[in-house]
Amino acid sequence: GAVVSQHPSRVICKSGTSVKIECRSLDFQATTMFWYRQFPKQSLMLMATSNEGSKATYEQGVEKDKFLINHASLTLSTLTVTSAHPEDSSFYICSARERVYLARENTGELFFGEGSRLTVL
Amino acid sequence: QQPVQSPQAVILREGEDAVINCSSSKALYSVHWYRQKHGEAPVFLMILLKGGEQKGHEKISASFNEKKQQSSLYLTASQLSYSGTYFCGTGAAGNKLTFGGGTRVLVKP
Repeated sequence: GAVVSQHPSRVICKSGTSVKIECRSLDFQATTMFWYRQFPKQSLMLMATSNEGSKATYEQGVEKDKFLINHASLTLSTLTVTSAHPEDSSFYICSARERVYLARENTGELFFGEGSRLTVL
Repeated sequence: QQPVQSPQAVILREGEDAVINCSSSKALYSVHWYRQKHGEAPVFLMILLKGGEQKGHEKISASFNEKKQQSSLYLTASQLSYSGTYFCGTGAAGNKLTFGGGTRVLVKP
């Protein structure tokens, strides 16, 4: 199956700093990538949909100025947590669908990255 | 709107069966099932698109009811490797998935 790589897998930072998380589709083109956030023992909450070459679409309640998303190419999307605070500590997971499924919404499986565990001290 | 999963947790003995339900208040475009092990990313199991559809993956199968508002995941003759948290993801317009709260499954020897 397709491979999505996420980096870094773990990051610890001081409060007030910014952290960038990368999500790469290694063997396919991903027009759309999704960023999820997961708290311990909870579900995956969609934060935003990242579209190559255009602005990300954020879910209600997600601060777009705090969680900056850039989808510069068909294989790379980045999430930057700006001015991180302890409450931003969480497991962030990206996912992607192959471009071939674009014409049929929601009929392709999502390939997930390994996740990035952010701890803000 | 987040789909509702039940039960929240289930404990099985190896070889036993279990059913996990996923329901929505409105008709869905699709239902996806994923399994997540602790500390890992979710892994795809299967997608159901049509009302009345049934699919299988090894001894794990799923169904999508005719009205496309409810899906069930069946764990048959469970194995230790089936332990994990199962999520259903429901599809809607906009090419995105909304996940249910998850069902934690523990299979004991």
